[in-house]
Amino acid sequence: QSALTQPASVSGSPGQSITISCTGTSSDVGRYNYVSWYQQQPGKAPKFIIYGVSQRPSGVSNRFSGSKSGNTASLTISGLQAEDEADYYCCSYTRSDTWVFGGGTRLAVL
Amino acid sequence: EVQLVQSGAVLKKPGESLKISCKGSGFTFSNYWIGWVRQMPGRGLEWMGLISPDKSDIRYGPSFEGQVTISADKSSNTAFLQWSRLKASDTAMYYCARQGNYVLDPWGQGTLVTVSS
Repeated sequence: QSALTQPASVSGSPGQSITISCTGTSSDVGRYNYVSWYQQQPGKAPKFIIYGVSQRPSGVSNRFSGSKSGNTASLTISGLQAEDEADYYCCSYTRSDTWVFGGGTRLAVL
Repeated sequence: EVQLVQSGAVLKKPGESLKISCKGSGFTFSNYWIGWVRQMPGRGLEWMGLISPDKSDIRYGPSFEGQVTISADKSSNTAFLQWSRLKASDTAMYYCARQGNYVLDPWGQGTLVTVSS
């Protein structure tokens, strides 16, 4: 089971929008709508921000949104803020009844 | 408050055994799967495995099958991650997390395991 593919880094200016992609296969991302996204601030445990591809838990800003097309899921952050600077990981359920994370994407807010 | 509290940081030598813990509170522990995630220094998250509420089902990620053992004790609301012979490459932060609705939430604070001679 290979890790899902994410860009190593993305950047944007305050107020802009960015999108982080997460590419898997027909055995994971493409097969199930069980893609979640996690935000990890430096030195802290990860926190989930999106589940079920596009569902946002209460307390998470509506600036965060998720989507999926085929084997690729995406996380979009609109109206970038300095506090969004963090590492972001996607995660998908797999055909093997296990889970797999993406390699992670570091977001820099310039 | 729903939370998972993990055991403290440890320093071990190669070849030693280790068992770290993750204690749940604020929810019915026996109703949830508990997962474990590894994060090596400066690296990303890796899904290690998880254990079912009744402990009848334990699943491991391909890289971790045979390398670690996941267990749980419902009577103490605690999940465990165990090594029989540590290697230097096991040095990492280990997180436990509750699985519900196909998402990991909440997460424990992490246990730093350092393996060095």
